[in-house]
This record gives sequence, C-alpha cells and structure tokens, in this order.
Amino acid sequence: DAEITQSPRHKITETGRQVTLACHQTWNHNNMFWYRQDLGHGLRLIHYSYGVQDTNKGEVSDGYSVSRSNTEDLPLTLESAASSQTSVYFCASSDRGISTDTQYFGPGTRLTVL
Amino acid sequence: QKEVEQNSGPLSVPEGAIASLNCTYSDRGSQSFFWYRQYSGKSPELIMSIYSNGDKEDGRFTAQLNKASQYVSLLIRDSQPSDSATYLCASQMNYGGSQGNLIFGKGTKLSVKP
Repeated sequence: DAEITQSPRHKITETGRQVTLACHQTWNHNNMFWYRQDLGHGLRLIHYSYGVQDTNKGEVSDGYSVSRSNTEDLPLTLESAASSQTSVYFCASSDRGISTDTQYFGPGTRLTVL
Repeated sequence: QKEVEQNSGPLSVPEGAIASLNCTYSDRGSQSFFWYRQYSGKSPELIMSIYSNGDKEDGRFTAQLNKASQYVSLLIRDSQPSDSATYLCASQMNYGGSQGNLIFGKGTKLSVKP
C-alpha cells in the first residue's frame, strides 16, 4: 500500500546542531508539505513543494530549509537547532487535482532541542 | 492574515448524543473546506471535505457549509467514546484550477463520555 513515512520518530538534539528530518511518500504525489504543531498554535506550515526542484516558504520558515530532488522525498533541515524548534513535525503530501486536494499526513517526528 | 477560528473546547457530550463542532474563516476566497480528526499522539486524518453550500453527509458525520456567513460545521451523530479526539478545520483557496495551501484552525477537543 502507498504510504508516507517519517524518520526518526523521536529525536533529541542540542542547541546549535544541524538536524535533518526525513519524509518519504510512495503515492507519487506532486505536493509535499512540512508542518509543525505546538500547543496553542495548531498546525503551522513551514515549507512546501509542488514538484521536483520546487520549494516555497510557509508561515514559519525561519531556521528551516528543504530541498526536493525527487518526487518521493522532502527532507527538512534545521540549520542550527534552537529550543524554540522543539515541536512535533508532520510531513504531508497531496496530488494536484482540479477539485480536490486531500492532504495525507505522516506519523510525525517529535523533536526536542535541549 | 487568513485565519480559521475554532473553539478550543473541550467539548464534552454524552455517548449517543450529537456533537456539533464549529469553524469560521476570514478569507471569502476560500472555496474548499476540510475536517481532520487527530487522536492524541497521532497524525491528522481526513474525515470530511465540503466544497458547496449546504450539507454533506457521510455515515454519522455531516459537514455543513455557509459561505455567506463564512461558517463551517461538523455534526457527529450517535457520538461514541472512540470519537474522542481533536477535530481540525481547514480552508483552502482555489486559484483557477490550482489549489492553495490549507489554513488550519487550532482544533476543538471533543470528549464523549460513556
């Protein structure tokens, strides 16, 4: 079955370290998204991609970067981790359609920055 | 600033009752609306989408959309303890056949008491 996976599921790192969170989908979806979810803020969009070599900044992109070299993967990199980036990170994907754009979410990565 | 507003709850209903979840959105250009369910510690999963004014029914779930009032609701009939979760409302704009990104509300926590 097609799916979307994230790794690692849990990560503890130190302030200032570079961290990369992986997202892999096997639906062959064009669109991929990274969100963070924090208490009191809901889901906030970090970066998104509408296809290979396409990346765009979302609402809370400072301190994060992404690259899209193939359809299946959109890794999220924290250049220099900060305690404010402690959060649960969700990757999502969707197909570009005319009337529907259902996003399917991965299981999430819980990141703690000490 | 495009916003989706939801009452954070918790909304508590007895088993077998109707749970009513409400959502308002600020951008009149929004054309597609989604309800996601999120169990504690899990990722969001889509349960309903609605694009036209009126009601849309799927099993025990009914989504209602009123674009004039910029209001979306989700009714859950015969509520079960397994419906206890956080419900996220999301809106999306359509740009001439291309979909914009989802704007999520912060979610309403529903508790169904046996």
